Amino acid sequence: GENVEQHPSTLSVQEGDSAVIKCTYSDSASNYFPWYKQELGKRPQLIIDIRSNVGEKKDQRIAVTLNKTAKHFSLHITETQPEDSAVYFCAASRSNDYKLSFGAGTTVTVRA
Amino acid sequence: GAVVSQHPSWVICKSGTSVKIECRSLDFQATTMFWYRQFPKQSLMLMATSNEGSKATYEQGVEKDKFLINHASLTLSTLTVTSAHPEDSSFYICSASPGAEEQYFGPGTRLTVT
Repeated sequence: GENVEQHPSTLSVQEGDSAVIKCTYSDSASNYFPWYKQELGKRPQLIIDIRSNVGEKKDQRIAVTLNKTAKHFSLHITETQPEDSAVYFCAASRSNDYKLSFGAGTTVTVRA
Repeated sequence: GAVVSQHPSWVICKSGTSVKIECRSLDFQATTMFWYRQFPKQSLMLMATSNEGSKATYEQGVEKDKFLINHASLTLSTLTVTSAHPEDSSFYICSASPGAEEQYFGPGTRLTVT
């Protein structure tokens, strides 16, 4: 099955700086890569996603890049704010079953 | 749009009893629903996939006789934890899909077995 690795496990940044989280996947058939933000005790919330036919996608302060050849994708958050503090998960799925395989998560702390 | 609810939001039960958790898609029809389990400070682990009107597909290592899943309609799936034990205490989260890659997550159910 799909194996998604995520790094780093924790990330502390100064407010206003950028945060980058990286994920790799093993299944070359994976074609959908969402990123979720989860606050303690809450549901995961989709913040951005990218499909395999696109190399980069941006939504305001959040961007995701995908390198299909290397099987890795990254989340970039610019101008971080305290409310960006949360656990972020990357995931991957294939179009034949849409099962999501999650990375281990990154705890992001934005220092004011 | 794309709202998914779960009930109950938290439940405490005694060891050996069964607990049913409901997952509903409120404003769309979910051809597929997924059930996840999340232990503290860990990631989401897929337990099973359910399609309306058919038997659920369980991930390796998940006991189908212990975690009973029923997807009776296009808006409702239930997970029953049978003969619950303390090690079943976890955060159970469902998600619903209208048929494409997107999954919309429920708010989760915190199960504590004493």
